[in-house]
Amino acid sequence: QVQLVQSGAEVKKPGSSVKVSCKASGDSFNTYALNWVRQAPGQGLEWMGGITPMFGPAKYAQKFQGRVTITADESTRTVYMDLNSLTSEDTAVYYCARGPPGFEILGWLDPWGQGTLVTVSP
Amino acid sequence: DIQMTQSPSALSASVGDTVTITCRASQSISGWLAWYQQKPGKAPKVLIYKASTLQRGVPSRFSGSGSGTDFTLTISSLQPDDSATYYCQQYTSYPYTFGQGTKLEIK
Repeated sequence: QVQLVQSGAEVKKPGSSVKVSCKASGDSFNTYALNWVRQAPGQGLEWMGGITPMFGPAKYAQKFQGRVTITADESTRTVYMDLNSLTSEDTAVYYCARGPPGFEILGWLDPWGQGTLVTVSP
Repeated sequence: DIQMTQSPSALSASVGDTVTITCRASQSISGWLAWYQQKPGKAPKVLIYKASTLQRGVPSRFSGSGSGTDFTLTISSLQPDDSATYYCQQYTSYPYTFGQGTKLEIK
Protein backbone atom coordinates (compact mmCIF):
# COMPACT_ATOMS: atom_id res chain seq x y z
CA GLN A 1 0.00 0.00 0.00
CA VAL A 2 1.71 3.18 -1.15
CA GLN A 3 1.70 6.23 1.12
CA LEU A 4 2.70 9.76 0.23
CA VAL A 5 3.93 12.01 3.04
CA GLN A 6 4.51 15.67 2.33
CA SER A 7 6.63 18.30 4.06
CA GLY A 8 5.15 20.83 6.45
CA ALA A 9 3.45 24.18 5.99
CA GLU A 10 5.44 27.12 4.67
CA VAL A 11 5.09 30.90 4.91
CA LYS A 12 6.87 32.81 2.16
CA LYS A 13 7.37 36.41 1.08
CA PRO A 14 6.24 37.59 -2.35
CA GLY A 15 8.98 37.11 -4.92
CA SER A 16 10.58 34.21 -3.09
CA SER A 17 10.42 30.51 -3.88
CA VAL A 18 9.18 27.42 -2.08
CA LYS A 19 10.18 23.77 -2.31
CA VAL A 20 7.69 21.12 -1.18
CA SER A 21 8.63 17.46 -0.84
CA CYS A 22 6.62 14.27 -1.17
CA LYS A 23 8.10 11.01 0.14
CA ALA A 24 6.68 7.72 -1.12
CA SER A 25 6.64 4.44 0.73
CA GLY A 26 5.33 1.08 -0.35
CA ASP A 27 5.15 0.05 -4.00
CA SER A 28 7.64 0.73 -6.77
CA PHE A 29 8.59 4.37 -6.70
CA ASN A 30 10.35 5.14 -9.94
CA THR A 31 7.87 3.65 -12.42
CA TYR A 32 4.80 5.61 -11.33
CA ALA A 33 3.96 9.18 -12.23
CA LEU A 34 3.92 11.59 -9.29
CA ASN A 35 1.88 14.71 -9.88
CA TRP A 36 1.37 18.03 -8.13
CA VAL A 37 -2.11 19.52 -7.79
CA ARG A 38 -2.89 22.70 -5.94
CA GLN A 39 -6.04 24.11 -4.37
CA ALA A 40 -6.40 27.78 -3.48
CA PRO A 41 -8.58 28.56 -0.45
CA GLY A 42 -12.20 27.74 -1.22
CA GLN A 43 -11.34 26.90 -4.83
CA GLY A 44 -11.08 23.83 -7.04
CA LEU A 45 -8.22 21.57 -8.06
CA GLU A 46 -5.50 22.63 -10.49
CA TRP A 47 -2.90 20.27 -11.98
CA MET A 48 0.59 21.75 -12.09
CA GLY A 49 2.72 18.98 -13.50
CA GLY A 50 4.19 15.56 -12.89
CA ILE A 51 7.17 13.28 -13.27
CA THR A 52 7.81 9.56 -13.63
CA PRO A 53 11.20 9.20 -11.90
CA MET A 54 12.44 6.36 -14.09
CA PHE A 55 11.72 8.24 -17.30
CA GLY A 56 11.79 11.95 -16.63
CA PRO A 57 11.69 14.76 -17.63
CA ALA A 58 8.77 16.37 -15.90
CA LYS A 59 5.65 17.54 -17.69
CA TYR A 60 4.17 20.93 -16.74
CA ALA A 61 0.94 22.80 -17.23
CA GLN A 62 1.46 25.74 -19.57
CA LYS A 63 0.30 28.11 -16.83
CA PHE A 64 3.28 27.19 -14.63
CA GLN A 65 5.89 26.62 -17.32
CA GLY A 66 9.10 28.44 -16.41
CA ARG A 67 8.06 28.98 -12.81
CA VAL A 68 7.80 25.42 -11.49
CA THR A 69 10.36 22.64 -11.39
CA ILE A 70 9.49 19.07 -10.43
CA THR A 71 12.33 16.70 -9.63
CA ALA A 72 12.74 13.24 -8.17
CA ASP A 73 15.40 11.65 -5.97
CA GLU A 74 15.18 7.91 -6.45
CA SER A 75 17.60 7.20 -3.60
CA THR A 76 15.23 8.75 -1.07
CA ARG A 77 11.98 8.01 -2.94
CA THR A 78 11.12 11.70 -2.79
CA VAL A 79 9.64 14.04 -5.36
CA TYR A 80 10.04 17.81 -5.07
CA MET A 81 8.02 20.73 -6.39
CA ASP A 82 9.86 24.04 -6.56
CA LEU A 83 7.78 27.14 -7.34
CA ASN A 84 9.44 30.54 -7.74
CA SER A 85 8.40 34.20 -8.10
CA LEU A 86 5.64 33.64 -5.56
CA THR A 87 2.67 36.00 -5.33
CA SER A 88 -0.36 36.01 -3.05
CA GLU A 89 -2.20 34.06 -5.75
CA ASP A 90 0.08 31.10 -5.04
CA THR A 91 -1.36 30.77 -1.54
CA ALA A 92 -2.82 27.28 -1.66
CA VAL A 93 -2.67 23.73 -0.43
CA TYR A 94 -0.28 21.75 -2.61
CA TYR A 95 -0.90 18.03 -3.00
CA CYS A 96 1.21 15.31 -4.52
CA ALA A 97 -0.75 12.45 -6.04
CA ARG A 98 0.28 9.25 -7.77
CA GLY A 99 -0.74 8.54 -11.34
CA PRO A 100 -0.40 5.35 -13.32
CA PRO A 101 2.87 3.56 -14.08
CA GLY A 102 4.81 4.18 -17.27
CA PHE A 103 6.08 7.02 -19.40
CA GLU A 104 3.43 9.63 -20.23
CA ILE A 105 0.64 7.23 -19.32
CA LEU A 106 -2.30 9.33 -18.22
CA GLY A 107 -4.72 8.25 -15.56
CA TRP A 108 -6.57 8.91 -12.35
CA LEU A 109 -4.74 10.06 -9.24
CA ASP A 110 -4.52 7.75 -6.26
CA PRO A 111 -3.38 8.00 -3.55
CA TRP A 112 -2.81 11.62 -2.55
CA GLY A 113 -0.49 13.12 0.01
CA GLN A 114 -1.93 14.94 3.00
CA GLY A 115 -1.33 18.37 1.46
CA THR A 116 1.06 21.22 2.27
CA LEU A 117 -0.26 24.71 2.93
CA VAL A 118 1.88 27.42 1.36
CA THR A 119 1.01 30.94 2.45
CA VAL A 120 2.49 33.89 0.56
CA SER A 121 2.32 37.04 2.63
CA PRO A 122 4.38 40.27 2.88
CA ASP B 1 -6.95 22.63 -22.63
CA ILE B 2 -10.10 20.57 -22.12
CA GLN B 3 -12.66 22.40 -20.00
CA MET B 4 -14.71 20.38 -17.53
CA THR B 5 -18.03 21.82 -16.38
CA GLN B 6 -19.97 20.34 -13.48
CA SER B 7 -23.54 20.94 -12.46
CA PRO B 8 -24.98 21.78 -10.12
CA SER B 9 -22.40 23.73 -8.11
CA ALA B 10 -24.17 22.80 -4.91
CA LEU B 11 -27.08 20.66 -3.83
CA SER B 12 -28.85 19.61 -0.71
CA ALA B 13 -30.52 16.25 -0.17
CA SER B 14 -31.79 14.05 2.61
CA VAL B 15 -30.55 10.75 3.97
CA GLY B 16 -31.82 7.96 1.75
CA ASP B 17 -32.21 10.15 -1.36
CA THR B 18 -30.54 9.58 -4.70
CA VAL B 19 -28.60 12.44 -6.29
CA THR B 20 -26.95 12.90 -9.68
CA ILE B 21 -24.04 15.18 -10.54
CA THR B 22 -23.17 15.85 -14.15
CA CYS B 23 -19.85 16.66 -15.78
CA ARG B 24 -19.47 17.89 -19.33
CA ALA B 25 -16.18 18.01 -21.27
CA SER B 26 -15.48 20.68 -23.89
CA GLN B 27 -14.46 17.91 -26.32
CA SER B 28 -14.70 14.16 -26.39
CA ILE B 29 -12.64 12.40 -23.74
CA SER B 30 -13.93 8.93 -24.56
CA GLY B 31 -14.29 7.27 -21.13
CA TRP B 32 -11.18 8.76 -19.55
CA LEU B 33 -12.88 10.33 -16.57
CA ALA B 34 -12.49 10.01 -12.82
CA TRP B 35 -14.64 11.19 -9.93
CA TYR B 36 -13.23 12.29 -6.56
CA GLN B 37 -14.73 13.01 -3.17
CA GLN B 38 -13.13 15.65 -0.96
CA LYS B 39 -14.05 16.41 2.64
CA PRO B 40 -13.03 19.66 4.35
CA GLY B 41 -9.36 19.75 5.24
CA LYS B 42 -8.66 16.43 3.52
CA ALA B 43 -7.12 15.33 0.26
CA PRO B 44 -9.40 14.15 -2.54
CA LYS B 45 -10.12 10.45 -2.77
CA VAL B 46 -10.89 8.67 -6.03
CA LEU B 47 -14.31 7.06 -6.22
CA ILE B 48 -14.62 6.06 -9.86
CA TYR B 49 -12.26 5.85 -12.82
CA LYS B 50 -12.70 5.05 -16.49
CA ALA B 51 -16.11 6.73 -16.14
CA SER B 52 -17.81 3.77 -14.46
CA THR B 53 -15.28 1.57 -12.65
CA LEU B 54 -15.68 1.66 -8.89
CA GLN B 55 -12.44 2.05 -6.94
CA ARG B 56 -11.81 -0.81 -4.52
CA GLY B 57 -13.36 -0.13 -1.15
CA VAL B 58 -15.86 2.47 -2.39
CA PRO B 59 -19.48 1.62 -1.53
CA SER B 60 -21.61 0.38 -4.40
CA ARG B 61 -24.02 3.26 -3.71
CA PHE B 62 -21.69 5.27 -5.93
CA SER B 63 -21.93 4.74 -9.66
CA GLY B 64 -20.73 6.51 -12.77
CA SER B 65 -21.77 6.53 -16.38
CA GLY B 66 -21.21 8.32 -19.65
CA SER B 67 -18.76 8.62 -22.50
CA GLY B 68 -17.66 11.20 -25.01
CA THR B 69 -18.53 14.55 -23.46
CA ASP B 70 -21.30 13.83 -20.93
CA PHE B 71 -20.87 11.99 -17.65
CA THR B 72 -22.81 11.45 -14.45
CA LEU B 73 -22.04 10.46 -10.90
CA THR B 74 -24.99 8.98 -9.04
CA ILE B 75 -25.10 8.46 -5.30
CA SER B 76 -28.01 6.38 -4.06
CA SER B 77 -29.26 5.82 -0.51
CA LEU B 78 -27.46 8.94 0.68
CA GLN B 79 -25.68 8.70 4.00
CA PRO B 80 -24.57 11.55 6.30
CA ASP B 81 -20.95 10.64 5.51
CA ASP B 82 -21.53 11.52 1.84
CA SER B 83 -21.46 15.22 2.70
CA ALA B 84 -18.48 16.44 0.66
CA THR B 85 -17.41 18.19 -2.51
CA TYR B 86 -17.20 16.06 -5.65
CA TYR B 87 -14.91 16.69 -8.61
CA CYS B 88 -14.60 15.15 -12.04
CA GLN B 89 -11.23 14.94 -13.80
CA GLN B 90 -10.35 14.17 -17.40
CA TYR B 91 -7.19 12.25 -18.19
CA THR B 92 -7.32 11.94 -21.93
CA SER B 93 -4.66 14.59 -22.43
CA TYR B 94 -2.34 16.94 -20.57
CA PRO B 95 -2.95 19.13 -18.72
CA TYR B 96 -5.24 17.15 -16.46
CA THR B 97 -8.28 19.31 -15.80
CA PHE B 98 -10.95 19.15 -13.15
CA GLY B 99 -14.52 20.33 -12.89
CA GLN B 100 -15.14 23.22 -10.52
CA GLY B 101 -16.71 20.94 -7.93
CA THR B 102 -20.18 20.14 -6.59
CA LYS B 103 -20.78 20.65 -2.90
CA LEU B 104 -23.25 18.12 -1.49
CA GLU B 105 -25.00 18.91 1.77
CA ILE B 106 -26.97 16.25 3.62
CA LYS B 107 -29.99 17.75 5.35
